Amino acid sequence: QKEVEQNSGPLSVPEGAIASLNCTYSDRGSQSFFWYRQYSGKSPELIMSIYSNGDKEDGRFTAQLNKASQYVSLLIRDSQPSDSATYLCAAQNTGFQKLVFGTGTRLLVSP
Amino acid sequence: DGGITQSPKYLFRKEGQNVTLSCEQNLNHDAMYWYRQDPGQGLRLIYYSQIVNDFQKGDIAEGYSVSREKKESFPLTVTSAQKNPTAFYLCASSAPGLAASTDTQYFGPGTRLTVL
Repeated sequence: QKEVEQNSGPLSVPEGAIASLNCTYSDRGSQSFFWYRQYSGKSPELIMSIYSNGDKEDGRFTAQLNKASQYVSLLIRDSQPSDSATYLCAAQNTGFQKLVFGTGTRLLVSP
Repeated sequence: DGGITQSPKYLFRKEGQNVTLSCEQNLNHDAMYWYRQDPGQGLRLIYYSQIVNDFQKGDIAEGYSVSREKKESFPLTVTSAQKNPTAFYLCASSAPGLAASTDTQYFGPGTRLTVL
């Protein structure tokens, strides 16, 4: 079983719609979670981090964490074609700095 | 500008050669990391260093070596013992956050290594 799982996609949404990206993790010791965006051929860039159960909003992005269900999600409101990229979910165990990455979900936003 | 730099951007290696990938940061971060990314796979940790003159193996350290003589620099050597070195190599750095051992990793632009 992979430690962090994501649907590889592609997830296709029309411009202006809400894109919902999901991630599950197996290590119950994971305390910190990160979403990175990676354009083709480029390095990952941090979008959001979340540590507590509930929602965290930053502009058009909302991260959601449910530790009981071991589930993390990223919502992108008013999706734009420039949001088309691969989104990587990563989990980190408190007390140990290793990040465990999922394989990423490819998002395609059509004009 | 503060950030992480990696060089070269593209690197071609003949079989049997050792090559060294550079990673430099001026963010004053204590911790540095090397990851490898292959198509269709997530990032896999090669080596990491939490302080100068100390480093630990990650999940796929075989065929790689590192050094951490300066806080700003964490070079990675891909040796001839690495069987499938063609990949995208990413360096990252982080500074411990105020919360217990949580920190955020920031990535350099990457080096794409191809074995000919």
